[in-house]
Amino acid sequence: GAGVSQSPRYKVAKRGQDVALRCDPISGHVSLFWYQQALGQGPEFLTYFQNEAQLDKSGLPSDRFFAERPEGSVSTLKIQRTQQEDSAVYLCASSLYLLAGRVKNIQYFGAGTRLSVL
Amino acid sequence: GENVEQHPSTLSVQEGDSAVIKCTYSDSASNYFPWYKQELGKGPQLIIDIRSNVGEKKDQRIAVTLNKTAKHFSLHITETQPEDSAVYFCAASLTSGTYKYIFGTGTRLKVLA
Repeated sequence: GAGVSQSPRYKVAKRGQDVALRCDPISGHVSLFWYQQALGQGPEFLTYFQNEAQLDKSGLPSDRFFAERPEGSVSTLKIQRTQQEDSAVYLCASSLYLLAGRVKNIQYFGAGTRLSVL
Repeated sequence: GENVEQHPSTLSVQEGDSAVIKCTYSDSASNYFPWYKQELGKGPQLIIDIRSNVGEKKDQRIAVTLNKTAKHFSLHITETQPEDSAVYFCAASLTSGTYKYIFGTGTRLKVLA
């Protein structure tokens, strides 16, 4: 079906506001990743889900960042009390994980949400 | 932790010439190396990948080589075209555990017509 879908595409927040970014992965994909991409840099890992389980959140920069995937499909990345340094593009990626017993960890990326904190 | 270095940061070539982008990774356990192309305002798109049990892979004008001993891998684009202009990212990953990608800092390729 369709690729990874992210919304909104652009978000402007005042410093201190809370924001929620949504990711719809490719249907049937077990694994879901969030990355943060600062201007002119490569994406940096934030967190990883396998189905609804958050197996790795080592990349979340602070406890203001929270991610969930309650039903193992759509995921939301929430940032509380946004700061200017949170301004970046937030990318979501999904991968199939297993196909016929083989790990298929090719990650397919969405277009991202560009967050600007004023 | 794992680190991936990518060079050059910018690359300009004449249309029809070849372009080479090089990456070095630090974690010798990494065994999967994808390359992504990112156009302005879009998410990264996979263009080619290679696994550690293979030394070279080719897909039309694009090829990737891997030297496990030196922990180097490179992207080669031949007969470049203006539509190849974009930012290219290399990445390293494990095919176990988290499967997270560690990305390089990107190469902005400009193909001059």
